[in-house]
Amino acid sequence: ETGVTQSPTHLIKTRGQQVTLRCSSQSGHNTVSWYQQALGQGPQFIFQYYREEENGRGNFPPRFSGLQFPNYSSELNVNALELDDSALYLCASSAGGGTNTGELFFGEGSRLTVL
Amino acid sequence: EDQVTQSPEALRLQEGESSSLNCSYTVSGLRGLFWYRQDPGKGPEFLFTLYSAGEEKEKERLKATLTKKESFLHITAPKPEDSATYLCAVQTPSGTYKYIFGTGTRLKVLA
Repeated sequence: ETGVTQSPTHLIKTRGQQVTLRCSSQSGHNTVSWYQQALGQGPQFIFQYYREEENGRGNFPPRFSGLQFPNYSSELNVNALELDDSALYLCASSAGGGTNTGELFFGEGSRLTVL
Repeated sequence: EDQVTQSPEALRLQEGESSSLNCSYTVSGLRGLFWYRQDPGKGPEFLFTLYSAGEEKEKERLKATLTKKESFLHITAPKPEDSATYLCAVQTPSGTYKYIFGTGTRLKVLA
């Protein structure tokens, strides 16, 4: 059973650029959610995808967007990067979609630095 | 507004010195409360799920308990390898089934 994998692990961008982060969900999981974790803070919910549809979103602007593919892998896209977007971006997979009451399985994260 | 508060922010213990971490929550309907462990630069690792007041779960030196307003993570006779940040999260039936995390407790266990 493979766990959640994310890429890239680290990246540096400049303000105004765009970034795409990728995530492969754990085998058998059909739901992927993305979280932003600033230094010293807890993860903040960005959005969740179930069967290729966004079915939940946190308080993040539209320049944060995502996709989920038929194999349940996912992408997080951030446009017009701002300095405050610097954070660890975590992908988590789970089973059960909108009725899921189980735990999240996290990847190691993608550390984004915006200069 | 749904909220999760963890205390203390940081805790230093001597090896073998037992203690408890607190997670208090105010949510409109609790679907589940989760404890995670996070090592520096890594993703959170699942520890426990609690669903109803009075429930308890144990794993090695860790024991999690739940009341209607808070959860405790008890650490008995900790070892240096227990050093990590411990995160508490709640799942609410807000229509999105998002998880709301606290800011965590940074635990350091000294040998």
